Amino acid sequence: DVKVTQSSRYLVKRTGEKVFLECVQDMDHENMFWYRQDPGLGLRLIYFSYDVKMKEKGDIPEGYSVSREKKERFSLILESASTNQTSMYLCASSLTGKSNTGELFFGEGSRLTVL
Amino acid sequence: AQSVTQPDIHITVSEGASLELRCNYSYGATPYLFWYVQSPGQGLQLLLKYFSGDTLVQGIKGFEAEFKRSQSSFNLRKPSVHWSDAAEYFCAVARNQGGKLIFGQGTELSVKP
Repeated sequence: DVKVTQSSRYLVKRTGEKVFLECVQDMDHENMFWYRQDPGLGLRLIYFSYDVKMKEKGDIPEGYSVSREKKERFSLILESASTNQTSMYLCASSLTGKSNTGELFFGEGSRLTVL
Repeated sequence: AQSVTQPDIHITVSEGASLELRCNYSYGATPYLFWYVQSPGQGLQLLLKYFSGDTLVQGIKGFEAEFKRSQSSFNLRKPSVHWSDAAEYFCAVARNQGGKLIFGQGTELSVKP
């Protein structure tokens, strides 16, 4: 089975802190995504990556950056956390090309609280 | 721009009753459509997807969905709901098979005994 692992399920940080959210997938997927989930807003795409060292902005990239140095790992970085970034963060991965069924495989999420 | 609307934020049904969750999309061409389910404390799991062909698609856990181009809808149905179906359900659309997904707001399903 595909497994997407998010290193931290729950984090509490203070305003202004730098925050790293780590995501690792074990199925050699080319595509990786970071979504933010908020009640009533569904999932909104922050950043995605189609290959190592490649990244593209999603719909709400402001205040975030990402890093993909290895194929299996995709990190979300909050350079200076703010209270409006309190949310659930979901990482996902998928295949690309003809092998891609369109299905995203999700991690269990990282709930971040910024005080 | 693509968009997805799930008009119902919260639905409550009795166990054993039928279920229909609504999803409307906005996109010029035939989209790729998905339904995902999120159980409490867990990530999202794919229920079913539509790319082309038969407009009635079957998924896991006894769910099905019907693509209606004329109504820009992709409603999810289940004939008899089980208590374990209580979860949040998300409809999503993509422009192509490998495209990023745009999600709806989600519908929370509660099941009464």
